[in-house]
Amino acid sequence: NAGVTQTPKFQVLKTGQSMTLQCAQDMNHNSMYWYRQDPGMGLRLIYYSASEGTTDKGEVPNGYNVSRLNKREFSLRLESAAPSQTSVYFCASKLAGGRETQYFGPGTRLLVL
Amino acid sequence: QKEVEQDPGPLSVPEGAIVSLNCTYSNSAFQYFMWYRQYSRKGPELLMYTYSSGNKEDGRFTAQVDKSSKYISLFIRDSQPSDSATYLCAMILNAGNNRKLIWGLGTSLAVNP
Repeated sequence: NAGVTQTPKFQVLKTGQSMTLQCAQDMNHNSMYWYRQDPGMGLRLIYYSASEGTTDKGEVPNGYNVSRLNKREFSLRLESAAPSQTSVYFCASKLAGGRETQYFGPGTRLLVL
Repeated sequence: QKEVEQDPGPLSVPEGAIVSLNCTYSNSAFQYFMWYRQYSRKGPELLMYTYSSGNKEDGRFTAQVDKSSKYISLFIRDSQPSDSATYLCAMILNAGNNRKLIWGLGTSLAVNP
């Protein structure tokens, strides 16, 4: 099992460019999450998908869109990148019900110039 | 006041020391308590999960919850350089039909050989 995988690992964008961060999990988990992590701000939830076919806003959704493509895949799109979106982005997944244990991917480091 | 407070450190200790990491919270509706460990340039991984007040031990790690004082701790015995990481506390807030995961900012720990 690869667990949670994310691509790309690192990306540099210019202001105004768009990009999609990809996430996939092979653990048959129902719920998937996108976080950003910034120094002094901790982990902040951007969007989540409780189950296939549903998505909901988290704490900091502005400037982002998501797609739950199927049970395995959950992508995060930046339509017009801004320097404030420079961050490390983590995808996580969780089995429905039971413990609230989230399994994280290795992260995508994004720099917006 | 944040719902979960965690001193970001950094904390630096010699190898073999006992480490104490702490989080405080303000809302008595928090029910489940977790500690995640995050190595540099990696995603967080679950270390300890506990529900009730008291101690839970796993090898060199002990998680302590004091619901009356709204205080949780993670103790690391015989600390090793491989324990050098950021430790994040996380808690589940149960409010009616809503369950919300709240993260601490993380404490950076360095164990020096």
